[in-house]
Amino acid sequence: DTAVSQTPKYLVTQMGNDKSIKCEQNLGHDTMYWYKQDSKKFLKIMFSYNNKELIINETVPNRFSPKSPDKAHLNLHINSLELGDSAVYFCASRHTSGHEQYFGPGTRLTVT
Amino acid sequence: AQTVTQSQPEMSVQEAETVTLSCTYDTSESDYYLFWYKQPPSRQMILVIRQEAYKQQNATENRFSVNFQKAAKSFSLKISDSQLGDAAMYFCARGRTRPLGTYKYIFGTGTRLKVLA
Repeated sequence: DTAVSQTPKYLVTQMGNDKSIKCEQNLGHDTMYWYKQDSKKFLKIMFSYNNKELIINETVPNRFSPKSPDKAHLNLHINSLELGDSAVYFCASRHTSGHEQYFGPGTRLTVT
Repeated sequence: AQTVTQSQPEMSVQEAETVTLSCTYDTSESDYYLFWYKQPPSRQMILVIRQEAYKQQNATENRFSVNFQKAAKSFSLKISDSQLGDAAMYFCARGRTRPLGTYKYIFGTGTRLKVLA
């Protein structure tokens, strides 16, 4: 069984479009994250939700809007896509009492 | 600044040999967690090993072990008996626990490990 899944795994789109990436975890965790990995492989936190509440919001453009309908899901919607948004986006989860994060397979977003 | 530094962008090791990847970090916290993740070409992030800062004993997982020097803020990963499947990007990460309730990872820039047959 897949612990943390993301859809889609690949996303190619044009500048100006709006797209969403979905994440689901079946580990029973209550905290979920979005990380961005840029072309130089650098990983940086974007957002975190705990029990559907936003607890971390790094300096991310307003075009990025996370949504957590329940503890097991965290989606990322991106408006007006730009070339610089091209990256791999990772979802991760953990239990509040734990310190390890479990990552999804990543979504490679390419903006042309 | 709360940073994690991996000073080796790339390393090579001969199959069956031992290699050590370095990581240093900066923190004002006394209680934190350190991790090494492996990212093969499939891009999946795989947890290799973890270390609790309050534990003096170095963590070990089969062929993987760490040298944790808390005073020096150093956390190196040693891979023994290297195998072709160990070839990957390796990321060092620190679990940042402050401010309270905002736990997140701070990642290093990664070290690409090549294993030579």
